[in-house]
Amino acid sequence: DVKVTQSSRYLVKRTGEKVFLECVQDMDHENMFWYRQDPGLGLRLIYFSYDVKMKEKGDIPEGYSVSREKKERFSLILESASTNQTSMYLCASSLYLDMGTEAFFGQGTRLTVV
Amino acid sequence: GQQLNQSPQSMFIQEGEDVSMNCTSSSIFNTWLWYKQDPGEGPVLLIALYKAGELTSNGRLTAQFGITRKDSFLNISASIPSDVGIYFCAGPSANAGGTSYGKLTFGQGTILTVHP
Repeated sequence: DVKVTQSSRYLVKRTGEKVFLECVQDMDHENMFWYRQDPGLGLRLIYFSYDVKMKEKGDIPEGYSVSREKKERFSLILESASTNQTSMYLCASSLYLDMGTEAFFGQGTRLTVV
Repeated sequence: GQQLNQSPQSMFIQEGEDVSMNCTSSSIFNTWLWYKQDPGEGPVLLIALYKAGELTSNGRLTAQFGITRKDSFLNISASIPSDVGIYFCAGPSANAGGTSYGKLTFGQGTILTVHP
C-alpha cells in the first residue's frame, strides 16, 4: 500500500518561529510537492522537487523554502512564521509520466501560527 | 499560470440523489484527475482520464474528459452519506514548451453535503 506520511497532524507555533514540516514517501517517486489548502481557494502549490537536491517554485513560494536531501524525504520550511501562514499543508508524491501524473497525498498538517 | 474553475462551489443533496459537477480551463489539459478529500484527510484519487472524449466509471462515479480538452465532468449516482467531502479536479501543468512536467494544478473544490 502506497504511503505518504507527514510528521505532524496538528502544529501550533508562535509568530517569528522557524517551522519545519516533514514528509516521507515509500514509493520511490521522483516528484514530491508541498501544497497549502485554504477554504475557497483549493490547493495551491508552494514548491515541488523532481529529484534529490532539485527544487522549483510553485505558485506561492514567498515565505517558504524546501529541502530534499534524500529521495524519500521532502521538507517545507517556514523561515519566520506569520499568522497568514496558518493553513492546512499537504505533501504529495508522484511517479513521473509524460502524459500526466497521479499524485498520492499525505494526511495533512494543520498549522496554526499565533 | 493555468487555472481550473470548478462548479458548483458547494452542494447540499438528499441521500439517493444524483450529483454532477464540472471543471473548466482556459487552456488545454492532456490529463484530467478527480480527487476526493474526506474531512481531516488528504485527497485520494478517484478517477484519471487520459484521452479526449474518454468516459470512465469507478463504481457509482463516472467522469468524462471533454472533447475540447478544456473541461471534465464528474457524476455520482445514488449518493450515500459517505460521499460527503470535497471533490477536486486536477491536471498536470505544462511548461513553456507545452509538455507536462509533473506539476498538478487543482480546482477550488466542490464541497458535497449529503443529508440522510
